[in-house]
Amino acid sequence: NAGVMQNPRHLVRRRGQEARLRCSPMKGHSHVYWYRQLPEEGLKFMVYLQKENIIDESGMPKERFSAEFPKEGPSILRIQQVVRGDSAAYFCASSLGGLEGDEQFFGPGTRLTVL
Amino acid sequence: AQKITQTQPGMFVQEKEAVTLDCTYDTSDPSYGLFWYKQPSSGEMIFLIYQGSYDQQNATEGRYSLNFQKARKSANLVISASQLGDSAMYFCAMRASDDYKLSFGAGTTVTVRA
Repeated sequence: NAGVMQNPRHLVRRRGQEARLRCSPMKGHSHVYWYRQLPEEGLKFMVYLQKENIIDESGMPKERFSAEFPKEGPSILRIQQVVRGDSAAYFCASSLGGLEGDEQFFGPGTRLTVL
Repeated sequence: AQKITQTQPGMFVQEKEAVTLDCTYDTSDPSYGLFWYKQPSSGEMIFLIYQGSYDQQNATEGRYSLNFQKARKSANLVISASQLGDSAMYFCAMRASDDYKLSFGAGTTVTVRA
């Protein structure tokens, strides 16, 4: 009964490179959420996806960031042309549904460092 | 919009003693849920306890209890009989009942001393 899985756990990129963060939700979960945690801060919502659909991307920067959750495979958060300010911990969570009482289970996070 | 405030950036507690972590919130939603998460130095987010805004009783989970005062809009976490393994960052979060986004406070670092 594996939990939410994220990989890689740590990712180092140079400015201008691309970062791809992967998230496999818990078995049976079809709702995925991405949050970002900047140093010394709490988590901030980025995007909410269901299979093949982006439901809410209101927390995602308009440029360079994109997310997908294909029919098969993990959810991907993609950051193009990374900058130092993108250095953060990125957490994925999944839930059974998107309503009250549907607890979000968090993955271990991916720590992105941009040199 | 929802706002979570955790005013204690860091706290020290003696092993076996109790510690209270403050959390106040602001929301116009009539129905909502409040959550506490623990983030140890390894970085993962561990769910601790949940309180619904219409729950009549304060939530408890083992050594964790939530002191929910709706009129004051506070949801303080009490950790009883602190253990060295409780040293971590603790986040208060909330979510409106008709929403899916969790809003988090800035966190409180707890250090348990032997």
